[in-house]
Amino acid sequence: GAVVSQHPSRVICKSGTSVKIECRSLDFQATTMFWYRQFPKQSLMLMATSNEGSKATYEQGVEKDKFLINHASLTLSTLTVTSAHPEDSSFYICSARQGRDTEAFFGQGTRLTVV
Amino acid sequence: GIQVEQSPPDLILQEGANSTLRCNFSDSVNNLQWFHQNPWGQLINLFYIPSGTKQNGRLSATTVATERYSLLYISSSQTTDSGVYFCAVGPLDQAGTALIFGKGTTLSVSS
Repeated sequence: GAVVSQHPSRVICKSGTSVKIECRSLDFQATTMFWYRQFPKQSLMLMATSNEGSKATYEQGVEKDKFLINHASLTLSTLTVTSAHPEDSSFYICSARQGRDTEAFFGQGTRLTVV
Repeated sequence: GIQVEQSPPDLILQEGANSTLRCNFSDSVNNLQWFHQNPWGQLINLFYIPSGTKQNGRLSATTVATERYSLLYISSSQTTDSGVYFCAVGPLDQAGTALIFGKGTTLSVSS
């Protein structure tokens, strides 16, 4: 299957700083990527849809100024958590697929801890 | 929006037992996938199965799209099967959009 790589896998940052998470499709091009968030013992919740060359689409309740998404190329989307606070601590996972209605693949996830 | 319900929420098995996990969804879909989330959080793709039946080793899955449910079968369970199993769907009327996840089934297999 297709490979989606996410980096870093784990990050600890101080409150008030910003953290950037990268999501790459290694062997295919993805015009659309998706960012999810998962709290402990809960399911994945969609945060935003990242569109190559245009603005991301955010789900209701997700602050677009706090979670900046950039999809600068067909193989890379980034999520930047700005001015992070402890409540932003979570597991962030990206997803991509080769075609519109094909199988989706997920990155390894990034565990963010804000201290 | 579409609702995805998984049952049971928790399942405890002895090694060697068989199990069936169920996923009900409230509207037509053009994508349905089963995942196993390992202890490190990685989502492992098990099946891409918007309809029909597939088998992969001890695992098999069936989706009856007209009745809006899917089943994941695990036979001869092993301790390494432990973890959370998610069903996720893509709504038919929103082609190309993100998968919507159920709340998962947490499976614990003991030796």
